Amino acid sequence: AQSVSQHNHHVILSEAASLELGCNYSYGGTVNLFWYVQYPGQHLQLLLKYFSGDPLVKGIKGFEAEFIKSKFSFNLRKPSVQWSDTAEYFCAVRGGYNNNDMRFGAGTRLTVKP
Amino acid sequence: DGGITQSPKYLFRKEGQNVTLSCEQNLNHDAMYWYRQDPGQGLRLIYYSQIVNDFQKGDIAEGYSVSREKKESFPLTVTSAQKNPTAFYLCASAAQGSEQYFGPGTRLTVT
Repeated sequence: AQSVSQHNHHVILSEAASLELGCNYSYGGTVNLFWYVQYPGQHLQLLLKYFSGDPLVKGIKGFEAEFIKSKFSFNLRKPSVQWSDTAEYFCAVRGGYNNNDMRFGAGTRLTVKP
Repeated sequence: DGGITQSPKYLFRKEGQNVTLSCEQNLNHDAMYWYRQDPGQGLRLIYYSQIVNDFQKGDIAEGYSVSREKKESFPLTVTSAQKNPTAFYLCASAAQGSEQYFGPGTRLTVT
């Protein structure tokens, strides 16, 4: 079964700093990759996803992620964070298109200081 | 409005009682999921269902049960056999091959 590892449990940044959150997965076959965000008191919502094609994926709110197959990684980046990016971020992996069995990482809490 | 509803938002129960959490979706999605979210552990899969009248155990199914009698509904019962039931429970649904959409969650406290 696939598994997902997020390296940082809690990241604290000042506004305008650059962000990179690490995500590694273990799965040997075709994968679909996702980043979800959970703002305080809100639903989990999708930031971006990778199914195939260009390994650099752009999502909402200026976020992007790069799929590096050789490193089994799907790191999330944002060039300049804002206070409103304070949230918990989850990386998830699913084995291929037909497998609805998705696995989530433990999450990374991001705190952005104004 | 299309989406996933979970009720209630907060639920309190005494130890030894079974409790059922509701999840309804009007997105016409075939697949539905139940996760448990605990601080520092992310989301752990309890059960999932890809089609009506069929469901599979996830990583932490012990002490839980589900049913899928209708496409729109996927209730989760937390039984008295679940050793540590206090948690935040999230329901999700997905179209085949697509991303999951999440409900607002139910926070269950068992004392």
